[in-house]
Amino acid sequence: DQQVKQNSPSLSVQEGRISILNCDYTNSMFDYFLWYKKYPAEGPTFLISISSIKDKNEDGRFTVFLNKSAKHLSLHIVPSQPGDSAVYFCAAGGFSSGSARQLTFGSGTQLTVLP
Amino acid sequence: KAGVTQTPRYLIKTRGQQVTLSCSPISGHRSVSWYQQTPGQGLQFLFEYFSETQRNKGNFPGRFSGRQFSNSRSEMNVSTLELGDSALYLCASSLVLATGYPNVLTFGAGSRLTVL
Repeated sequence: DQQVKQNSPSLSVQEGRISILNCDYTNSMFDYFLWYKKYPAEGPTFLISISSIKDKNEDGRFTVFLNKSAKHLSLHIVPSQPGDSAVYFCAAGGFSSGSARQLTFGSGTQLTVLP
Repeated sequence: KAGVTQTPRYLIKTRGQQVTLSCSPISGHRSVSWYQQTPGQGLQFLFEYFSETQRNKGNFPGRFSGRQFSNSRSEMNVSTLELGDSALYLCASSLVLATGYPNVLTFGAGSRLTVL
């Protein structure tokens, strides 16, 4: 049973446009959410996070939105750049339950930004 | 500062053999976690160690084990390898901060295991 789901295995976007990556979760104990980016032959790198007390967190071109009632979060990248082409993983943790470091990951979305 | 270092980066084993993977965390990071990545499955949590003690364990069979040393370096071992164990094994380290402060995992580049 996948507790964190990324239903789109791939997404293609034109350079300069907005990329929107989506993630759904089922476990209501999750209260901390992160996005990681992974290039081939490298480990995932942390991108941005959000705790359940917020509904939005912004860092430069990256914004994460959290809709707790829908158990849905999304990552917006504006404007998209070719260097953003990578696999993006959504992850969730139950920080308040002491499992913040036992993250549950989605299966990833391959983002391709076309020049 | 140096990142998370995993060795070896690539290895090939045959069914029934065992394998040991090594992870050196970022200096000062005392928590080390291991994840398995297979195509289409994302990253699956294996276990987490802190102060040489396993604190969390994922849903993997007992063939998967690990340990952490006093210098925070960690090893994981897979015995009696099966074809389905072929995967990228990722190690991540993190600081352990005061309660209420979320941590961020820093990942190594991974060890790619192929079982033939």
